Amino acid sequence: GNSVTQMEGPVTLSEEAFLTINCTYTATGYPSLFWYVQYPGEGLQLLLKATKADDKGSNKGFEATYRKETTSFHLEKGSVQVSDSAVYFCALREGNNRLAFGKGNQVVVIP
Amino acid sequence: GAVVSQHPSRVICKSGTSVKIECRSLDFQATTMFWYRQFPKKSLMLMATSNEGSKATYEQGVEKDKFLINHASLTLSTLTVTSAHPEDSSFYICSANTLGGLNTEAFFGQGTRLTVV
Repeated sequence: GNSVTQMEGPVTLSEEAFLTINCTYTATGYPSLFWYVQYPGEGLQLLLKATKADDKGSNKGFEATYRKETTSFHLEKGSVQVSDSAVYFCALREGNNRLAFGKGNQVVVIP
Repeated sequence: GAVVSQHPSRVICKSGTSVKIECRSLDFQATTMFWYRQFPKKSLMLMATSNEGSKATYEQGVEKDKFLINHASLTLSTLTVTSAHPEDSSFYICSANTLGGLNTEAFFGQGTRLTVV
């Protein structure tokens, strides 16, 4: 079946550092890919998405490129802020609008 | 963007009682809503797909008699945790898709923190 794998463990970094969160997927065909962000005590918000190979999703300084050849959708941001501290989930859309999520990565940005 | 409202945001109940959680799409209609459960420091686990006007589709391992789902209108789905036990304590999140068939965007509620004591 379809699955999403995110790198293990929380990510702690200093303000203005470069952020990368790895995401790889296993799927039949070419599903749409998403990054969601969850702030403490809240639901998920769509951060960005890409619907086909080589598409680049971007929002709020975050970017991710749909790489078919490596089945990856890594999230990057060039200069993080304290307000970016949250949990980030990579997801793919299966049939019937179902979403399969990765385990999530806690990002902590230290001033 | 579209708004999904989940209520209550927090609830504490006694063991053996039932708790109802509402998920409303405020400015759009949704034929399909999804209910997720999130364990601490873990991902979201899809519990069931709520279909307007028909029975919900439950994921393997989810007890349908324990987690009752009703989707009576195009803007409201409810999840009732029946005979709650402490192990049901969790963060429950719903999502709703805009109309338009497949490949529509999902919007998430703010979640409900359920604590069973």
